[in-house]
Amino acid sequence: EAGVVQSPRYKIIEKKQPVAFWCNPISGHNTLYWYRQNLGQGPELLIRYENEEAVDDSQLPKDRFSAERLKGVDSTLKIQPAELGDSAVYLCASSSPRRGLAGQETQYFGPGTRLLVL
Amino acid sequence: DQQVKQNSPSLSVQEGRISILNCDYTNSMFDYFLWYKKYPAEGPTFLISISSIKDKNEDGRFTVFLNKSAKHLSLHIVPSQPGDSAVYFCAASGNFNKFYFGSGTKLNVKP
Repeated sequence: EAGVVQSPRYKIIEKKQPVAFWCNPISGHNTLYWYRQNLGQGPELLIRYENEEAVDDSQLPKDRFSAERLKGVDSTLKIQPAELGDSAVYLCASSSPRRGLAGQETQYFGPGTRLLVL
Repeated sequence: DQQVKQNSPSLSVQEGRISILNCDYTNSMFDYFLWYKKYPAEGPTFLISISSIKDKNEDGRFTVFLNKSAKHLSLHIVPSQPGDSAVYFCAASGNFNKFYFGSGTKLNVKP
């Protein structure tokens, strides 16, 4: 079974430029997450999708960040314009319910996109 | 306000000995806890989990203990191997699929 796929793996851009990240979750996983991980910290949720619906985007900086998951499968996260403080690793994860444990899901992460804003 | 805390940023252990990684949480509504392992330049990999109805879950060399009254969980690795050297994150969930992560502990297992 293929894991969560993310691209690109690395991205270097100048501030004020736009950038986009792509994620393809594990087949059959309805829930998709985007996280941001700063150096020395744990992942922090940006947005969570259930199929094509964004059910939790409370931590997404909506003035510059946007995301979409149009067909409920792959997803794109965009930053426009990027700022120096956006330098981080952007992780995508997907999950499906554990059998017999409704509401308790295990997330599987992609390798992440390391963004450097100069 | 960090709801999940890993207060030890690093831990060094000799090969063959026990590694104990600790995690504290503040939200009593959390009922599902996970440990992830992360190698450099890779995403976190799921390791082991525990539901709040249990106080221990074991999978091979890895055991997670949960102390709900203390809001504390720990991961034991016995025996530790050099390949276990990685950053370990604990995570907690209580609100239907929203996960909170600690800041990680870097484990170094010396040969």
